[in-house]
Amino acid sequence: TQLLEQSPQFLSIQEGENLTVYCNSSSVFSSLQWYRQEPGEGPVLLVTVVTGGEVKKLKRLTFQFGDARKDSSLHITAAQPGDTGLYLCAGGSRPRPGSARQLTFGSGTQLTVLP
Amino acid sequence: NAGVTQTPKFQVLKTGQSMTLQCAQDMNHNSMYWYRQDPGMGLRLIYYSASEGTTDKGEVPNGYNVSRLNKREFSLRLESAAPSQTSVYFCASSWSGGGTFQTQYFGPGTRLLVL
Repeated sequence: TQLLEQSPQFLSIQEGENLTVYCNSSSVFSSLQWYRQEPGEGPVLLVTVVTGGEVKKLKRLTFQFGDARKDSSLHITAAQPGDTGLYLCAGGSRPRPGSARQLTFGSGTQLTVLP
Repeated sequence: NAGVTQTPKFQVLKTGQSMTLQCAQDMNHNSMYWYRQDPGMGLRLIYYSASEGTTDKGEVPNGYNVSRLNKREFSLRLESAAPSQTSVYFCASSWSGGGTFQTQYFGPGTRLLVL
């Protein structure tokens, strides 16, 4: 069973601060995705990284995939109240023949950005 | 396009009652998924369907059954609800074709309380 551990579980910061969220596993994944979930809604994809060492930027968010493809981080610069939400990492693996591609989700980081 | 829709949005059941959660997608995706989300545990896969006519167990299938009615619809049935099945249930769909990763699109969720 592949597991993804996220840290911290909860994070409360002031507007304008920087933060980093971590996603770690002992397993290798073919891809790593980050989703954001707002209250009362389903998760929405932010980014997908597929190459070890890959870095992607999405405005103030920077995502990195570890060289060994076992871990990832999400860094937010100058956080804003609109960044508040549950951030989930999800590891993708190659499916068995005839099966669907599955994602293994981490337990999530609940981020609160205070104005 | 509505994306992924789920009904009902809320449901209260008594222990032992049965119910079916409905899910439909209009994105012509071949794969569909059912997850449950509990506090501090992220998303756990209950069942999935790689394509019309096929279903497979996920991480936590006990107490549930599914039906892939057609390409658009994937239902989840609780035959005899238990308090441990109190959760938020999400349906998702994706195109599982070639390539190394997929994007899963989630519905808004069904909040289920079993008394």
